[in-house]
Amino acid sequence: DTAVSQTPKYLVTQMGNDKSIKCEQNLGHDTMYWYKQDSKKFLKIMFSYNNKELIINETVPNRFSPKSPDKAHLNLHINSLELGDSAVYFCASSQATRGVYGYTFGSGTRLTVV
Amino acid sequence: DAKTTQPNSMESNEEEPVHLPCNHSTISGTDYIHWYRQLPSQGPEYVIHGLTSNVNNRMASLAIAEDRKSSTLILHRATLRDAAVYYCILRALTGANSKLTFGKGITLSVRP
Repeated sequence: DTAVSQTPKYLVTQMGNDKSIKCEQNLGHDTMYWYKQDSKKFLKIMFSYNNKELIINETVPNRFSPKSPDKAHLNLHINSLELGDSAVYFCASSQATRGVYGYTFGSGTRLTVV
Repeated sequence: DAKTTQPNSMESNEEEPVHLPCNHSTISGTDYIHWYRQLPSQGPEYVIHGLTSNVNNRMASLAIAEDRKSSTLILHRATLRDAAVYYCILRALTGANSKLTFGKGITLSVRP
């Protein structure tokens, strides 16, 4: 059983399209995250939800909109895709937000915008 | 955010111990020291974390200096599968700095 699963694993799309990435965790965790890893391999946090409530919203274009229908799911919708959105997107979860808890990451979604 | 400093890279030989250093001179009293690693083409993976005392788990050991301004991740017998980027990260117990913020990490290469 995969703890944090993301779909799709690969996504190739044209500029201007709208796409979604889905994430599900079966760990019973309260908090979920989206990270972006660019071509230089820097991992940056984008969003965090705790019990379906948005608690972290880093400086991310408003073309990116997270949605958490329940504690086990956090989806990422991207409007009007741009070339610079090409990256690997990782979903993660943790038991809670406190620094004593570790994160579990998914295997990533490689988004390529052409 | 409290910052950590790691060497850019390190090489080791298979089946030998590896000591990965991390400096965090501005650590505060409630900051936890976390280590994650990212294998090629995979998501980051939790390795270990600690506050003040040394910690052991099935993956590694974490040795924390008495003044907490540095720590060392110890892989007891490196395997080829341990070749990865290792991140040393400080996380506050609560608040905005409790989130996991990645730096550049240290790239570990393992020679057969």
